[in-house]
Amino acid sequence: GQQVMQIPQYQHVQEGEDFTTYCNSSTTLSNIQWYKQRPGGHPVFLIQLVKSGEVKKQKRLTFQFGEAKKNSSLHITATQTTDVGTYFCAGLFFSNFNKFYFGSGTKLNVKP
Amino acid sequence: EADIYQTPRYLVIGTGKKITLECSQTMGHDKMYWYQQDPGMELHLIHYSYGVNSTEKGDLSSESTVSRIRTEHFPLTLESARPSHTSQYLCASSDAGTGDEKLFFGSGTQLSVL
Repeated sequence: GQQVMQIPQYQHVQEGEDFTTYCNSSTTLSNIQWYKQRPGGHPVFLIQLVKSGEVKKQKRLTFQFGEAKKNSSLHITATQTTDVGTYFCAGLFFSNFNKFYFGSGTKLNVKP
Repeated sequence: EADIYQTPRYLVIGTGKKITLECSQTMGHDKMYWYQQDPGMELHLIHYSYGVNSTEKGDLSSESTVSRIRTEHFPLTLESARPSHTSQYLCASSDAGTGDEKLFFGSGTQLSVL
């Protein structure tokens, strides 16, 4: 079945260090979205990537969509304590536009 | 910020009780979803709806049921709650027609069944 794999499961960094989380699918995605969930909160939409090879930036966050539209990454430069939370990718497949397939999430902890 | 509301925020009930978790959105979105999430874990889709009178089961088998009689309302019901139902339930909606189908999540209901 359709599945989106996400690694790593956990990441502990010192404030100021960089952080990257990766998502991978065995089949081509229509698009991929990224969400952030703060501890005790609900997921909040960050960005959507649609085009092959697309790169988008939001301040210290850089999002990439692979050329084959099967993988994506989120990179945070110089982490801050406000970056703490769980980052989820969510993929939409051409075969079913009605369901988002979420990765298992990467929990980021930033030590001050 | 998104206008999607869930009540109650927290619910503690005994085994065997019937419960309904409420979810309402004021954005006129056609698509609505229920996800189940254990603390710090992934989101599991349990129900979704394309629009009024349309409901589908998600990937995770659930003993809950849903209804979609009005566009803005997507309640989830458990006829007989059990401790295994203890979890966080997140409702979400998205706009089907824009091509930019980001999910808007409610604040969730944390359910504890004793």
